[in-house]
Amino acid sequence: AQKVTQAQTEISVVEKEDVTLDCVYETRDTTYYLFWYKQPPSGELVFLIRRNSFDEQNEISGRYSWNFQKSTSSFNFTITASQVVDSAVYFCALSESERDDKIIFGKGTRLHILP
Amino acid sequence: DTGVSQNPRHKITKRGQNVTFRCDPISEHNRLYWYRQTLGQGPEFLTYFQNEAQLEKSRLLSDRFSAERPKGSFSTLEIQRTEQGDSAMYLCASSLNPSWTAYEQYFGPGTRLTVT
Repeated sequence: AQKVTQAQTEISVVEKEDVTLDCVYETRDTTYYLFWYKQPPSGELVFLIRRNSFDEQNEISGRYSWNFQKSTSSFNFTITASQVVDSAVYFCALSESERDDKIIFGKGTRLHILP
Repeated sequence: DTGVSQNPRHKITKRGQNVTFRCDPISEHNRLYWYRQTLGQGPEFLTYFQNEAQLEKSRLLSDRFSAERPKGSFSTLEIQRTEQGDSAMYLCASSLNPSWTAYEQYFGPGTRLTVT
């Protein structure tokens, strides 16, 4: 069965600190996709990144970076030099594309960036 | 605005009433998804369409729920005989997919349903 676990329910850091959001996933498929979405207070889910299971290269986009490790089934997300606008709920998600592409979401990590 | 739109944004209804929500996907997106999100949880998959065909329904979707996408464009989600447990945010998403490839889904702002 597919499952996404975000063990950190809530995190608070002071602005400009770096913060890492953890994500561990379970799947029996060899082909799958991993995602991160951001849900700001306005409520609309914002797509951040998609990574397929065959591409283990880490990715950096501005202050955001993602560390994908198949050996530990983890897909962690780091925000460098955090800003107050980064305050949101962040969801890690999984899609097993061999069957369909419905997305299975974790429960989310609520991130508070304190000024 | 060319994003996914949903109407209404908020709906308050009394238990036992029927409600219908509408989703307009990004134009030319062939896949459309419905999810439900309750407080403190991630979105949960309900159903999805490839063009006008409904390809999968979650076990979460009881017989009181029905979804349609008659012309392969907008979709409606109807809940009959609403119950208080149906109170949630209903999210619609769309994506452009060739077969068997999971492209990112773009989400609408959601419809928040409150059943009193």
